[in-house]
Amino acid sequence: AQSVTQPDIHITVSEGASLELRCNYSYGATPYLFWYVQSPGQGLQLLLKYFSGDTLVQGIKGFEAEFKRSQSSFNLRKPSVHWSDAAEYFCAVGSSGGYQKVTFGTGTKLQVIP
Amino acid sequence: GAGVSQSPRYKVAKRGQDVALRCDPISGHVSLFWYQQALGQGPEFLTYFQNEAQLDKSGLPSDRFFAERPEGSVSTLKIQRTQQEDSAVYLCASSLRGGGTSSYNEQFFGPGTRLTVL
Repeated sequence: AQSVTQPDIHITVSEGASLELRCNYSYGATPYLFWYVQSPGQGLQLLLKYFSGDTLVQGIKGFEAEFKRSQSSFNLRKPSVHWSDAAEYFCAVGSSGGYQKVTFGTGTKLQVIP
Repeated sequence: GAGVSQSPRYKVAKRGQDVALRCDPISGHVSLFWYQQALGQGPEFLTYFQNEAQLDKSGLPSDRFFAERPEGSVSTLKIQRTQQEDSAVYLCASSLRGGGTSSYNEQFFGPGTRLTVL
């Protein structure tokens, strides 16, 4: 069964500092991997996705993520965080077949301080 | 264009009441998903429809939960005899194609319905 682990429940960074959110997944084959962001009262917005090709993927809002098969990881990074990035971030894994069922991690809440 | 919409956005129910949550997917989208997101947790899969057919309901937590999509567009998630543990945000997502495709089929999420059971 597919699963996702986000080891950091809560992270605080200063505005302008770099950010890395960790994600480890479990899936038997090559997975689809996603990062979503959820602001309070908002739906889930897709930041970026990976399913093949270049292991470094670029997303919206200046985010990027790197797929490392050997470590079963898909960490999210941003070089310089803005106050508007404060939100909850979810890593997710999707099956590459069938109807592409998606399994989410428990999320990392990002706080940005001035 | 319009995205996925859900109504109501907020619902307060007394324990034991029945509730119905509505999802309007993006027009023409074949696949529809329901997720439950408890406080402090990630969304968890409840059920999947391809057009009007409910192909996977393995995530429904009990027989008090029932979902339908009779005409292959709008879907309703019904919870009977609500319990406090049903309090959560219920998210709906739709995607363009049905299952069996080898290409990526992005899910678009609605804003959710926050259900509070007192």
